[in-house]
Amino acid sequence: SQTIHQWPATLVQPVGSPLSLECTVEGTSNPNLYWYRQAAGRGLQLLFYSVGIGQISSEVPQNLSASRPQDRQFILSSKKLLLSDSGFYLCAWSTRLNEKLFFGSGTQLSVL
Amino acid sequence: RKEVEQDPGPFNVPEGATVAFNCTYSNSASQSFFWYRQDCRKEPKLLMSVYSSGNEDGRFTAQLNRASQYISLLIRDSKLSDSATYLCVVSRGYQKVTFGIGTKLQVIP
Repeated sequence: SQTIHQWPATLVQPVGSPLSLECTVEGTSNPNLYWYRQAAGRGLQLLFYSVGIGQISSEVPQNLSASRPQDRQFILSSKKLLLSDSGFYLCAWSTRLNEKLFFGSGTQLSVL
Repeated sequence: RKEVEQDPGPFNVPEGATVAFNCTYSNSASQSFFWYRQDCRKEPKLLMSVYSSGNEDGRFTAQLNRASQYISLLIRDSKLSDSATYLCVVSRGYQKVTFGIGTKLQVIP
């Protein structure tokens, strides 16, 4: 069966520090991969999605970036965090032509 | 206008009650529809897909009305464990999956 791993679960970072969140999927190949952010009291906002290695689409301009160095690995990064980057970050995967998303357990990021 | 709109609630209902949530969407080109459940500080989990003919999974029934552009979720015989936020999801392909803000349900003993 397919599983998705996301870490860390909780992260507290000072403003201006770098960020790296990692997500890996097991049990499937060629998945679509997604990064979402959920701010307190708000809906899920799609940040990036990827349909293959090295292929990244950005939905919202910001100081975040994403990379997909391997088929089942998706990384969210920032060189300098802002206070507004605080939120609940979720990685998700789907099969190539299916919109059903399956989420990792999320990372609660607090930027102080 | 938001692409997907939901009443954020909270809906406070007694155990055993029947509760219904609606969700409206603005883009008539939307193709696929889902309900997700999200517990506090946890990831969303797929509850069920929504089909035009309506579909049922145990105590849960989902309906789609394309003409009026809304979907609904009906929960019968509410359990305490049903307390969660229910997210409406509308899709126009894998790169256009939009989540509503969610409706919070609290089932009271």
